[in-house]
This record gives sequence, structure tokens and C-alpha cells, in this order.
Amino acid sequence: DADVTQTPRNRITKTGKRIMLECSQTKGHDRMYWYRQDPGLGLRLIYYSFDVKDINKGEISDGYSVSRQAQAKFSLSLESAIPNQTALYFCATSDLWGNNEQFFGPGTRLTVL
Amino acid sequence: TQLLEQSPQFLSIQEGENLTVYCNSSSVFSSLQWYRQEPGEGPVLLVTVVTGGEVKKLKRLTFQFGDARKDSSLHITAAQPGDTGLYLCSGAGSYQLTFGKGTKLSVIP
Repeated sequence: DADVTQTPRNRITKTGKRIMLECSQTKGHDRMYWYRQDPGLGLRLIYYSFDVKDINKGEISDGYSVSRQAQAKFSLSLESAIPNQTALYFCATSDLWGNNEQFFGPGTRLTVL
Repeated sequence: TQLLEQSPQFLSIQEGENLTVYCNSSSVFSSLQWYRQEPGEGPVLLVTVVTGGEVKKLKRLTFQFGDARKDSSLHITAAQPGDTGLYLCSGAGSYQLTFGKGTKLSVIP
């Protein structure tokens, strides 16, 4: 079984809709992250969380919100989706110790029409 | 803001050839990682380098961290079609990673 899972894997929605992407992990890591990936722009950090009570904005947090429901669960919400939020979204985890190596989920392909 | 620049952006080679891709920054990183991403999947960690001048080998892949810990290279010997993918480098800061935009490698059989 995969250590980091994301649901859904694909989603097509319309402008203005609320969307939630979910991430679960069985690695026992404290740190969790949400990234988006766009062609030519690479991976950009949206939000990150170091434990259940900790939420931090990343490079591109506008238009997004997150919830850390438990150590193993970290969800990303788009309150009112817009077309330029069409992208690949990845959840990742890392251990408190070590060199911040990240373990990624398989990604969610989101299309906003 | 710490930036990582990867070159080349795209690389297409024949099976059996050797290649080197680069990851450069003006910033010093405490460690640097290389990931490979295949279409439809998330990036997968290949290696972490920590010490300036460090060289690590993973089968046909050789990773080197610059002496000043600002740059790194990835050399692939006798490339195989299975090496095809997007290679990403990332530098570790105090609490998060900075990612380069990647090198997209295609190995033609």
C-alpha cells in the first residue's frame, strides 16, 4: 500500500465551485505539505504543517486554505475555484529529523473550467 | 528567496549515451536532494547530499555536491529508456525545500 495517498486523483470542476483535496499518510511523519506543479514553473509550496496545531503559508497560499485534521491527514481546499488553479497538486510528508527529505503522494490533476 | 536553476531544461539522447545535468544556486544549502518524477506520478527521492564535495553513486547515477554547497550535478552513465523522466533538485533550508524547475530527460531506444 502507498505511504502517501491523495484523493481524488482527477477532478474537473467549474469556476466558483468549492473543492477539497485530501491527503493521508501512513509514514508517521509530523510534517506535511501541499504543492502545485505547473509546466515551466516547477513545484511551488502552497501550505505546510509541522504538527496538528501548526499551519503555515507557503509561496502561493492566496485562494487556498488547509486543515490538519490529524497527524496523518492534511486537506487542501479551494473555496471558489478559478481557471488558473488548474494544475497538478501534490501532498508530501517529511520526518522531523533528517534533511527534510520529502515523500510525495501520486498527485491530483485538477481542471477548473 | 533561495533559487535553484537546473540545466538543461530538456535533454533527448540515445540509449547508451552518457549525460550530466546541473543544479546551481547563489545560496548555500545545508543539504541538497535529487528526485525523479515519471508522468502521472509524484517525485521520488533518489539521493541526499550533505557535505561539500560529497559524491554518491546509485547504480549508473553519480551525484556530486559542490565544495561550497551551492551546486550539484547528476551524471548518468549508459542511459537506459527507464531513466526517462523529470529530474528535480531541491535545496533544504531551515524548514522547507526550494525546488528547481527540473530537467526533462528522454532516452530513445
